[in-house]
Order: sequence, then structure tokens, then C-alpha cells
Amino acid sequence: DSGVTQTPKHLITATGQRVTLRCSPRSGDLSVYWYQQSLDQGLQFLIHYYNGEERAKGNILERFSAQQFPDLHSELNLSSLELGDSALYFCASSVARGSNSPLHFGNGTRLTVT
Amino acid sequence: GQQVMQIPQYQHVQEGEDFTTYCNSSTTLSNIQWYKQRPGGHPVFLIQLVKSGEVKKQKRLTFQFGEAKKNSSLHITATQTTDVGTYFCAGPMYDSGNTPLVFGKGTRLSVIA
Repeated sequence: DSGVTQTPKHLITATGQRVTLRCSPRSGDLSVYWYQQSLDQGLQFLIHYYNGEERAKGNILERFSAQQFPDLHSELNLSSLELGDSALYFCASSVARGSNSPLHFGNGTRLTVT
Repeated sequence: GQQVMQIPQYQHVQEGEDFTTYCNSSTTLSNIQWYKQRPGGHPVFLIQLVKSGEVKKQKRLTFQFGEAKKNSSLHITATQTTDVGTYFCAGPMYDSGNTPLVFGKGTRLSVIA
């Protein structure tokens, strides 16, 4: 058990809809990262928050947004969903602000857009 | 941002054979990390390499960081069925500062008993 909690585990929705994925980091971790994993693309970095502030953006679509709340949990919002958004979305947390500390991944949310 | 390239994409081995996956970057990496993802699971941190030429061992796994800090390898000796999974390397997204990790596409290892 990594200590990172992601909900829901599975999500099935239709094109055009909006969903929210939730992540609670490990106790004491201030950094939260979101990654998208699809079959052909490996783990794609989406966005990073540290102690409530956005720190870096990767290949995140404009239809996607995220935030980290004062209690350090984070939410990833995906809107105007398309079939191509179907993927496994991972949240990871770490104690430090950057790449020098290991990431601890949650079990992921599998999103299926029909 | 930086990219890390990983080869091979797939590797099928007989149980007991050795396995190696390679990771390359066009620029110098301040550190490199390795993760393992079992089928149906999430990536799990294995190790971090920081120093030029560093070699670290974990039982049958040997991790190496190149002298120029642009490449790394993971070697598994005498594979077992428990080694099945996808192995990812990951490096900093940018050259400096506190940056997120970017992952290679991974090497999926299958072990035939």
C-alpha cells in the first residue's frame, strides 16, 4: 500500500461529459502529480502541485484542469470528454518539490469514455 | 522539456535468462529513477541514481548510471516469473530547478516458465 488514495477506481461516462478524479496524497507529502497512462503513450505527465500551488504543466489539454486544496488532496477535472481521453489516470505524491525524491503512486482511476 | 528514450519496448525471455533495459537522454540528467509496474498495478519506485558511473544492486537487479549521466540501464540476472511487468526509467523534465519526472515508455518484460 503506497498510502496514496485515488477515487473512483473505475469511471464510465459518455462523450461530452465532465468527470472529477480525486487523490489524497501520502501523509506528509506536499507534492501531487497527475499522470495519464494509455496503451501507446506510457506515462504522460499532466500537472504538478506543491503545497497548494501549481508548479509545472505537461501535456495537459485545455479541457483538463486540476487543483490542490488546503488539506493537500487534489482533484483532476476532465471536461468535454472524448473517446481518446479513455485511459488510466494516476496520481502520485512525494515529499519534496521536485524530481529528487521518489514518487508514490495511487492505484489509479480507469476512465472509459463511450 | 527533456525526454527519456527507453529500449526495447518488449522483451520475452525464458525463465532463468538475463534481461536488460536501456534508458537514454539527449541531455545530462541530475538523477534517474527506475519504477516497476506489475500487470494491472501501479508504478512502484525501485531506485534512484545520482552520481556519474553509479552502480547499485538489489538482489538480482543491477542499476547503472552512465559516466556522462545521459544513460542508464537495469539488468536482471536469472529472471523469475515474479519479474514480469513493465520497467520504466524516469528523469527530470528540465535541466535545473525542482522539476517533475518524465517517464520513458517502458520495457514490458514477459517471462516464460
